Amino acid sequence: AQSVTQLGSHVSVSEGALVLLRCNYSSSVPPYLFWYVQYPNQGLQLLLKYTSAATLVKGINGFEAEFKKSETSFHLTKPSAHMSDAAEYFCAVDAGGTSYGKLTFGQGTILTVHP
Amino acid sequence: DGGITQSPKYLFRKEGQNVTLSCEQNLNHDAMYWYRQDPGQGLRLIYYSQIVNDFQKGDIAEGYSVSREKKESFPLTVTSAQKNPTAFYLCATRGLLNTEAFFGQGTRLTVV
Repeated sequence: AQSVTQLGSHVSVSEGALVLLRCNYSSSVPPYLFWYVQYPNQGLQLLLKYTSAATLVKGINGFEAEFKKSETSFHLTKPSAHMSDAAEYFCAVDAGGTSYGKLTFGQGTILTVHP
Repeated sequence: DGGITQSPKYLFRKEGQNVTLSCEQNLNHDAMYWYRQDPGQGLRLIYYSQIVNDFQKGDIAEGYSVSREKKESFPLTVTSAQKNPTAFYLCATRGLLNTEAFFGQGTRLTVV
């Protein structure tokens, strides 16, 4: 079974500092990988996705992530945090094949941004 | 206004009652999904449907039921057999040409 691990359930940064949210996955085949963001009491919004094209993926709001197959990682970064980035972030994997379309999510990381 | 509509936004249920959560979409997507979200646990798949009149159990289907009579609609019933139904429920869709899922705004169910 697939699994997704997000290291750190809470991450706190200062405004203007680097944001790094970690995600590791287990999958025996090249997966599709996603980062979603969720604001309180709302649905999930796609930040970016990896679908076996470029390993460095750029998303919305200045976020990017790098797919590293050797490390089975897909960490999310943003060079300079903004107050509006405060939210919960979810990493998800779609292993494809017979599981195509079924997402396995990490447990989420709550990002707090201090002024 | 295109998208996915979940209703109601908040729902209260007495113990022993069945309740149905609505999910409607006008994106013309074939696949629809129901996820349950609990704090600190991420999202877990309850049921999914790839095509009308067909659906499959996800990882936590016990105590839930669904139907898919129309492409646009995928209602979820939380039955009295679900022991701990208080959670945030999210509906998602995916089109054939999409790799990503699109999510509704969610329904927060509370048992009182």
